[in-house]
Amino acid sequence: GQSLEQPSEVTAVEGAIVQINCTYQTSGFYGLSWYQQHDGGAPTFLSYNALDGLEETGRFSSFLSRSDSYGYLLLQELQMKDSASYFCAVITGKLIFGQGTTLQVKP
Amino acid sequence: DAGVTQSPTHLIKTRGQQVTLRCSPKSGHDTVSWYQQALGQGPQFIFQYYEEEERQRGNFPDRFSGHQFPNYSSELNVNALLLGDSALYLCASSAGPRYIQYFGAGTRLSVL
Repeated sequence: GQSLEQPSEVTAVEGAIVQINCTYQTSGFYGLSWYQQHDGGAPTFLSYNALDGLEETGRFSSFLSRSDSYGYLLLQELQMKDSASYFCAVITGKLIFGQGTTLQVKP
Repeated sequence: DAGVTQSPTHLIKTRGQQVTLRCSPKSGHDTVSWYQQALGQGPQFIFQYYEEEERQRGNFPDRFSGHQFPNYSSELNVNALLLGDSALYLCASSAGPRYIQYFGAGTRLSVL
């Protein structure tokens, strides 16, 4: 089967840096994606890693290591608006999502 | 450039009824996938349409069916609604099955 594991909750203060980890078990995939979802909203694409290494997009960076079956999303200079759920997902033609990490940013 | 659009935004049905949800993909995208998201959970894959055919299917019963039209838009049909079908139904489109998927705002279905 295929599964992804993420921490259920993370709390950080405004201006800080936070890392959300994702470990997975899958037989094969094209890449690892990250999505942000605010309460009641649609998942919004943040980042995608097709290859091992670090991808940087503004305040967000994502990392993938296929040999370790591991990835993470790094959020820098946290803002209150970053409070949301974050999902990692592997692309196997379809998207297989983790259960999500709720990030709470405090003043 | 319009993104992925879904209709309706909200829907209330009773048990046993049937429902049809609609999705228009992002311009240039030919692949549409449907997901069900229960409260507090990650989206669960229902099925994917590419070239007007169902290409992949998740662990959902046959009560869930779909269609893709020549203009790449898609419908999700659910028959014999159950209380447990209450969820946010998300449509996502991509420029092929292997690529990044972009989501619509979803249809919130409540089954009473």
